[in-house]
Amino acid sequence: QQQVKQSPQSLIVQKGGISIINCAYENTAFDYFPWYQQFPGKGPALLIAIRPDVSEKKEGRFTISFNKSAKQFSLHIMDSQPGDSATYFCAARDTGNQFYFGTGTSLTVIP
Amino acid sequence: GAGVSQSPSNKVTEKGKDVELRCDPISGHTALYWYRQRLGQGLEFLIYFQGNSAPDKSGLPSDRFSAERTGESVSTLTIQRTQQEDSAVYLCASSLDPGVNTIYFGEGSWLTVV
Repeated sequence: QQQVKQSPQSLIVQKGGISIINCAYENTAFDYFPWYQQFPGKGPALLIAIRPDVSEKKEGRFTISFNKSAKQFSLHIMDSQPGDSATYFCAARDTGNQFYFGTGTSLTVIP
Repeated sequence: GAGVSQSPSNKVTEKGKDVELRCDPISGHTALYWYRQRLGQGLEFLIYFQGNSAPDKSGLPSDRFSAERTGESVSTLTIQRTQQEDSAVYLCASSLDPGVNTIYFGEGSWLTVV
C-alpha cells in the first residue's frame, strides 16, 4: 500500500517553464513533508520541506504548495533549467518518525 | 567527512554469497535508516534505528536480511544467500532527531548479484 502517491512518473519541460509535481497522502498524522532531489548515481538530497500548518513555502525557484484539507502537496519549479533535470521524490513523516516516499518523478528540462 | 558515508560504493557478488554493507552516519545523529532502491524505482524502507531503542525491522523483506548498529554510530546491513532480485542500491540515511529534523542520505551502495 503506497502511503504517498506521486505523479507524474516523468515530466519534460522546456527551459524557463514551470515544472509541477504532485503528491497525495491519506494519513492525517503525517506532520512533515520534505522533497528530495536525486541525480543519477547519487543519494537523494533534501530540496525543500514544509509542515502542515503552512500552505506555501518558497525557497528560490522552488515552492511547495500544501493543501491540508485535500491531503495534497506539490512542488513547483519556476524558470526550470537543464541543471534541474533529476528525479524528485516527495515524502511524508509519521508520528513514529517513519518516512514514506513517493515513487519518484523523472524531470527532464530541455534547452 | 560531514555527510553520511557508505561502503562499498559498488559490489558485485555471486548468487548465494553473503554481503555486508556499511553505513557511517553523520556524527551525533541518533537515528539511522536503511532503504532499498531498485533501478528506476522509489525508496523502499528496510529498517530504522533510534538511539538505544529496539530497531523497527518491519521493512526487511526476508530473514536473509539483517542489520546491526553499534551504539549511535556505524551500522551494517547484511544480506545472506544473495539472490538476483536483491540487486539494487542500498541507501543509508541519518538524522539528528527525526521528530524535528529531516533525514540525510549517503550516496548508496550499488549491489549487483550475478
